[in-house]
Amino acid sequence: DTGVSQNPRHKITKRGQNVTFRCDPISEHNRLYWYRQTLGQGPEFLTYFQNEAQLEKSRLLSDRFSAERPKGSFSTLEIQRTEQGDSAMYLCASSLPRSGGGTDTQYFGPGTRLTVL
Amino acid sequence: AQTVTQSQPEMSVQEAETVTLSCTYDTSESNYYLFWYKQPPSRQMILVIRQEAYKQQNATENRFSVNFQKAAKSFSLKISDSQLGDTAMYFCASAFGNEKLTFGTGTRLTIIP
Repeated sequence: DTGVSQNPRHKITKRGQNVTFRCDPISEHNRLYWYRQTLGQGPEFLTYFQNEAQLEKSRLLSDRFSAERPKGSFSTLEIQRTEQGDSAMYLCASSLPRSGGGTDTQYFGPGTRLTVL
Repeated sequence: AQTVTQSQPEMSVQEAETVTLSCTYDTSESNYYLFWYKQPPSRQMILVIRQEAYKQQNATENRFSVNFQKAAKSFSLKISDSQLGDTAMYFCASAFGNEKLTFGTGTRLTIIP
């Protein structure tokens, strides 16, 4: 399977604990995105990388959130001191810029569902 | 601010019938892209169809087609000959001149056997 993979698929944690999620993009894709989806809502953009460079961060991404993509391949999203409001599905997507410019199609992983008790 | 609005939280249709999902958006950008994504129950989101705003011709992918009305900022999805496997959440999304996607709140579509 050469699609986007995410681990773990489910995470239950207690308030105040730190959690880390991993995303492995499609191998030749150099752009990687993180989104958050709460129940009944569409995904909301958090941050994105081109290779190892983090190019944009949403205001939704508080200081407790950090994302890395150290070698331009997989990415991690860490949440420190989790709060109940962090409970959501965290989605990763990757894309490959289209030749000739234009916005590329993003391919999504299955997501990591976080529950903070 | 750029926004995407889906005003139909839920829809249902009999198998083999045609259904149209609505989407409107608001932007001051001249260069943007519009998408419909499908999220089946407990499965990952997949792209259904995309439309470049500079193209006048409506995009079509097999049973899926769009009605893109640029002046009205409307981008509806038509599903013809609906199948049970079309049951899913459908999200309208746009990239307004940059890379991140802005999503609507979704429409839950149920195909009735």
